[in-house]
Amino acid sequence: GQQVMQIPQYQHVQEGEDFTTYCNSSTTLSNIQWYKQRPGGHPVFLIQLVKSGEVKKQKRLTFQFGEAKKNSSLHITATQTTDVGTYFCAGPVLDTNAGKSTFGDGTTLTVKP
Amino acid sequence: DSGVTQTPKHLITATGQRVTLRCSPRSGDLSVYWYQQSLDQGLQFLIQYYNGEERAKGNILERFSAQQFPDLHSELNLSSLELGDSALYFCASSVGSGGQGVGYEQYFGPGTRLTVT
Repeated sequence: GQQVMQIPQYQHVQEGEDFTTYCNSSTTLSNIQWYKQRPGGHPVFLIQLVKSGEVKKQKRLTFQFGEAKKNSSLHITATQTTDVGTYFCAGPVLDTNAGKSTFGDGTTLTVKP
Repeated sequence: DSGVTQTPKHLITATGQRVTLRCSPRSGDLSVYWYQQSLDQGLQFLIQYYNGEERAKGNILERFSAQQFPDLHSELNLSSLELGDSALYFCASSVGSGGQGVGYEQYFGPGTRLTVT
């Protein structure tokens, strides 16, 4: 079955450093979503990418969808302490009528001030 | 505030017992998803309902069951509870069913923390 893998599992950075998390799928994704979960909180939807090679920006966050639609990345420029949390990617199952999204295991970001 | 509500916030119960978790989706959303998140682990998809019907099944144990009612709220029933069932249970909702591989953004509730002692 489809599996969405995320790396790294953990990332510790100094405030002001950049951060990148990668998401790789074993199958082609029709689209991919990114979520952020703050410590003690619930996942919050950040963005959805649909087109091959798509790049979207939200302030210091840059999201990319690979040309083959099998991978994606989230890059944060100049991290701040407010960026702390776990970032998940999620890709829907493509080959069936099921609408479930397969979530990656997440990348937990800690930022040292 | 995502607009998704879950009750109760916390639940402490003993092994072998049965509990029911409740979720009300955002206004206008027809899909409800249930996820389990154990300590320091990712989100394990359990089950999805769309407009009252089961849409997709994930890693849901036979001891667990769910349903979505005509008013679109959903309940997750967990029975014969074991220590390993202790986790955060999230409900999420989306406007569409996600058929044909189309993913819809999901809005998560605050979760129910279940502790089995």
